[in-house]
Amino acid sequence: GAVVSQHPSWVICKSGTSVKIECRSLDFQATTMFWYRQFPKQSLMLMATSNEGSKATYEQGVEKDKFLINHASLTLSTLTVTSAHPEDSSFYICSASNSLAPSSYEQYFGPGTRLTVT
Amino acid sequence: DQQVKQNSPSLSVQEGRISILNCDYTNSMFDYFLWYKKYPAEGPTFLISISSIKDKNEDGRFTVFLNKSAKHLSLHIVPSQPGDSAVYFCAASVVGGATNKLIFGTGTLLAVQP
Repeated sequence: GAVVSQHPSWVICKSGTSVKIECRSLDFQATTMFWYRQFPKQSLMLMATSNEGSKATYEQGVEKDKFLINHASLTLSTLTVTSAHPEDSSFYICSASNSLAPSSYEQYFGPGTRLTVT
Repeated sequence: DQQVKQNSPSLSVQEGRISILNCDYTNSMFDYFLWYKKYPAEGPTFLISISSIKDKNEDGRFTVFLNKSAKHLSLHIVPSQPGDSAVYFCAASVVGGATNKLIFGTGTLLAVQP
């Protein structure tokens, strides 16, 4: 149980275009989803937290107009990188948790999406 | 400001021996701690967790110890196996709010030599 998928697993796009990454919880209801990015040999940096049906809460320094997050259902959240630039190239990982479950502190991670902006 | 720190970027141990991964934190409000294992180009996999009301939690080969007064936790893997080779992240949960946000450490690369 507690499987989270991400699509696509990797994507290459040109500067100025937008890219959408999907995160799905396959076998549980994800009341909360988190989006992280990871640079090579660095830690996971939380970008934003989203609750189903609510606006996402962004971490300090993350541009909410650039990284659009939608959490329209209990099984799907999307991250759209708008007007992508080469510095947006990174590994993006989502996670999901069920805040109503006894183990609500546990987050289950997707496999990640490698974004390369040329 | 790194609230969760893993001061050893890498660790090498022999197969069958004990691996000890350390983690320090600064925020005394953290009330839940987790360890994740991560392979390159994959998402982290949950390993084991511990509540701040406990000082030890064991699950098979994995044991997590928490020393609240020292703001320190450690993950022990016994016996270590080559398949344990990966990056290990400790994470701490922030108290309060509607969501349980995790703050991750910088990771320790464990290499288990056959």
